[in-house]
Amino acid sequence: GEDVEQSLFLSVREGDSSVINCTYTDSSSTYLYWYKQEPGAGLQLLTYIFSNMDMKQDQRLTVLLNKKDKHLSLRIADTQTGDSAIYFCAPFGDYKLSFGAGTTVTVRA
Amino acid sequence: ETGVTQSPTHLIKTRGQQVTLRCSSQSGHNTVSWYQQALGQGPQFIFQYYREEENGRGNFPPRFSGLQFPNYSSELNVNALELDDSALYLCASSLDGFRSLAGELFFGEGSRLTVL
Repeated sequence: GEDVEQSLFLSVREGDSSVINCTYTDSSSTYLYWYKQEPGAGLQLLTYIFSNMDMKQDQRLTVLLNKKDKHLSLRIADTQTGDSAIYFCAPFGDYKLSFGAGTTVTVRA
Repeated sequence: ETGVTQSPTHLIKTRGQQVTLRCSSQSGHNTVSWYQQALGQGPQFIFQYYREEENGRGNFPPRFSGLQFPNYSSELNVNALELDDSALYLCASSLDGFRSLAGELFFGEGSRLTVL
């Protein structure tokens, strides 16, 4: 099955950029998603990228995909306190999304 | 607001009991998947329904079963509950089946099940 690896924690100063990295194993993934989860809540779709793209920008969010290295990253510009949450990258393939343990982002003043 | 609604939001059961969780997909979406998220972990795929048929299943025992109705809403049933079934159960909806281009894939807020 698909293995997804993310660093567990990221601490960033308010106003700086955050970069969350993700590696995955299944090269046949068609879409790759980023979700945000706040405490006690469900998963909020942030953005997604099709596997034939290498970059997608959506307001403060920039997704970079290196398909050769199976590496995905999410950059959040001008990080705010409301961005504190757990972030999951989730490649889609073979009917399903595959999740790692997520990256907990803490924004400090 | 994703348009995916789940009920109940919270429930408590005891070991051996049965539970039914419900999901209404976003308008126009014909594919529903269920995921289990244990505390501190990422979600795990349970199964997917596309046009009322199970279309893919993860590594969950047969006591996890589901249904999809003609209006594309869905149920997850778990029999003979075990303590390890305590988790957040998430429903996701999308258009035209996960076998093809998934596109936007939205989750509900989940049903938090506690098994005592």
